[in-house]
Amino acid sequence: NAGVTQTPKFRVLKTGQSMTLLCAQDMNHEYMYWYRQDPGMGLRLIHYSVGEGTTAKGEVPDGYNVSRLKKQNFLLGLESAAPSQTSVYFCASRRGTGGEAFFGQGTRLTVV
Amino acid sequence: GDSVTQMEGPVTLSEEAFLTINCTYTATGYPSLFWYVQYPGEGLQLLLKATKADDKGSNKGFEATYRKETTSFHLEKGSVQVSDSAVYFCALSDNTGFQKLVFGTGTRLLVSP
Repeated sequence: NAGVTQTPKFRVLKTGQSMTLLCAQDMNHEYMYWYRQDPGMGLRLIHYSVGEGTTAKGEVPDGYNVSRLKKQNFLLGLESAAPSQTSVYFCASRRGTGGEAFFGQGTRLTVV
Repeated sequence: GDSVTQMEGPVTLSEEAFLTINCTYTATGYPSLFWYVQYPGEGLQLLLKATKADDKGSNKGFEATYRKETTSFHLEKGSVQVSDSAVYFCALSDNTGFQKLVFGTGTRLLVSP
């Protein structure tokens, strides 16, 4: 049982390049989340989804876009990467109200 | 909006000492409350949770009680071990249709032998 899988695990981008981070879960969870983790800032919510075809903005959505075309996948896109987007990105999913969130192993992104 | 405030770290303790990490929250309605733990190089994993007022979550010797009157969910452990060294995150989830999951900034715990 894979749980939540994030790809890639590491990436270096040049300023202005674009990329997509993929999050896949095999637990049939409705809710999925993208966070970024920065030193001293904890986890900040970028975007989230409460079901297939739905997305919503979190605390720090600027510079990111997301899509949830299939229930099991939640994609995070950076259209034009900036050094301020250097961070560790975590995806999480959970079943519903009060349920445990399961996290991926993270993607370490460096923008130079 | 909903938010979580937890004590800054690092918290440095000797093995077998008592641990308290404070967490308070701001939320409308009746959120569910969680403590997550992150070991170096890993994602977060659930430590314990409480879904309504006065509930006590417990796991691996850690405990936290959902106190609605003080909007708090403090994490405690009677006797810490070196293996408990990690970063601990308090979190809340609103129980409306939005289902946002909001985290505090994390508290690093360092336990020495």
